[in-house]
Amino acid sequence: NAGVTQTPKFQVLKTGQSMTLQCAQDMNHEYMSWYRQDPGMGLRLIHYSVGAGITDQGEVPNGYNVSRSTTEDFPLRLLSAAPSQTSVYFCASSYQTGELFFGEGSRLTVL
Amino acid sequence: DAKTTQPPSMDCAEGRAANLPCNHSTISGNEYVYWYRQIHSQGPQYIIHGLKNNETNEMASLIITEDRKSSTLILPHATLRDTAVYYCIVRETSYDKVIFGPGTSLSVIP
Repeated sequence: NAGVTQTPKFQVLKTGQSMTLQCAQDMNHEYMSWYRQDPGMGLRLIHYSVGAGITDQGEVPNGYNVSRSTTEDFPLRLLSAAPSQTSVYFCASSYQTGELFFGEGSRLTVL
Repeated sequence: DAKTTQPPSMDCAEGRAANLPCNHSTISGNEYVYWYRQIHSQGPQYIIHGLKNNETNEMASLIITEDRKSSTLILPHATLRDTAVYYCIVRETSYDKVIFGPGTSLSVIP
């Protein structure tokens, strides 16, 4: 049981580049979500999904796209990276009402 | 917006009980109270949750007031490794997004 796996752990981008942060879970969780955490700040919800084929916006969705084609995977896409998107990104999953399981985080720097 | 409010920071002497309060005055009957903590910049870790009864596990105890408008997380014998940011959230029994507030930064002092 690997839990929630995020890749890559570290990434440096130039402004305007695109990339995808991968998130996979092997616990058959319906709920998956992406958060960003800026230095010294709390977690802010970007997007979330309550099941395959269903996604919705969180608190700070602008600049990010998501899709949920399978129960296991929930990738986060940055279409045109900006320095303001420099942050640590956490993926989390859970059963419908259960505890959230978090990945180890992906640290993104946009130059 | 987060549905909970917590003090931004607290100190606790090593070996003493740490009592972390959380206000959730607008909590509905279907919402559970969950506590997580985040050590350094690791992913948050689940601690405990409850609906209306007090709960205890190997990590902590959760005391929920009778009106459910507030709760307290108790770490019975705080150690230096308990220094972390503690988040209190409420979550419904149906599908819903999970919003975190800024949490409480707990410093355990030797």
